[in-house]
Amino acid sequence: EVQLVESGGGLVKPGGSLRLSCAATGFTFTPYSMNWVRQAPGKGLEWVAYISGNSKYILYADSVKGRFTISRDNAKSSLYLQINSLRAEDTAVYYCARDFAWVFDYWGQGTLVTVSS
Amino acid sequence: QLVLTQSPSASASLGASVKLTCTLSSGHSSYAIAWLQQQPQKGPRYLMKLNTDGSHSKGDGIPDRFSGSSSGAEYFLTISSLQSEDEADYYCQTWGSGSWLFGGGTKLTVL
Repeated sequence: EVQLVESGGGLVKPGGSLRLSCAATGFTFTPYSMNWVRQAPGKGLEWVAYISGNSKYILYADSVKGRFTISRDNAKSSLYLQINSLRAEDTAVYYCARDFAWVFDYWGQGTLVTVSS
Repeated sequence: QLVLTQSPSASASLGASVKLTCTLSSGHSSYAIAWLQQQPQKGPRYLMKLNTDGSHSKGDGIPDRFSGSSSGAEYFLTISSLQSEDEADYYCQTWGSGSWLFGGGTKLTVL
């Protein structure tokens, strides 16, 4: 069974940093591209970042470019999102999602990031 | 600019059918899209991908009650024999030019 489990969320002050993790089980991690998607409270889904299986290709949404860094460790079947210079508008549930031919076919349950002083 | 437009809400009775619509912005009718379901307090679930030729591929374990179709720039998700657990938010998604885009979502209420 494919499972994606996010962790690392929490309450952080504006300007602070967090590192989110996503542990993948139930499938061979390396060949799959992965994504981070976020959802602000009561709002819709917003794509954040993409990383290819070998980390050669990385893409970011304009809203996070320069502040967020996506990475992965294939040996640990894990995906990461380093988020810096946090702003109130970054408050959201962050989901990791497996990419299969450009569709996100499996999602985690999310981890909540709250940016507040 | 690529935009996906969905009605904010829809409702239908238990056991009935409902057809949700996702409209691509003008000049973007050749994109494939995906439909996602998000039940309350849960992560999204992939339902299906709709290709430009009208074919579709479903996610694992998605019941036959869920089907998809398209007409020009409009993509449809039809849910038949509505059940209480179908009450959820439904999002369409597409991709292109190095990014992924979601529609605003439709909140489906099962009466």
